[in-house]
Amino acid sequence: GDSVTQMEGPVTLSEEAFLTINCTYTATGYPSLFWYVQYPGEGLQLLLKATKADDKGSNKGFEATYRKETTSFHLEKGSVQVSDSAVYFCALSGDGSSNTGKLIFGQGTTLQVKP
Amino acid sequence: ETGVTQTPRHLVMGMTNKKSLKCEQHLGHNAMYWYKQSAKKPLELMFVYNFKEQTENNSVPSRFSPECPNSSHLFLHLHTLQPEDSALYLCASSQEGGGIGRTEAFFGQGTRLTVV
Repeated sequence: GDSVTQMEGPVTLSEEAFLTINCTYTATGYPSLFWYVQYPGEGLQLLLKATKADDKGSNKGFEATYRKETTSFHLEKGSVQVSDSAVYFCALSGDGSSNTGKLIFGQGTTLQVKP
Repeated sequence: ETGVTQTPRHLVMGMTNKKSLKCEQHLGHNAMYWYKQSAKKPLELMFVYNFKEQTENNSVPSRFSPECPNSSHLFLHLHTLQPEDSALYLCASSQEGGGIGRTEAFFGQGTRLTVV
């Protein structure tokens, strides 16, 4: 079945460092891909998304490109801030016949940014 | 009030208790979901409702009983739970039927459940 694999955390970086969180997926059809972020004590918030191959999602300085050839959707940010400390989840949803809210998540990657 | 609201935010219950979790969405969406987030495990989809009808149950034990009286409200009734059911329960909603590139799911803040 469909699945998402994320790099294991925690990831600890200094402020202004470059961030990459790897995400690869296995899916039939043409899924949409998402990154969600969960701040301490909160629910999940959509960070960015891409709905077809070669699309680039971006938000708040974060970017991810839908790479069908490598089945990847790696999250990047050029300069992290302490406020980016959170858990990041990569997820996919099915093709046009499936609910967009029926998501398959990776295990999450904890990011800690130190001043 | 906008978005997806879950109550209570925290719940402690004994194994013989009966309690309910509530979710309300103010986004006009037609689909709602329950997810379970346990420590060190990926989020697990529990139930899917489309237009108030349950369309998916991912082999969830019968001690979890969902109810969707209308498109804006979703409940999760709990009874005779086990300590391993302690987790963060997240509700989400989405608008379905718009084709590829349609909107994403919006999540509530979750209910932190502890079974003692």
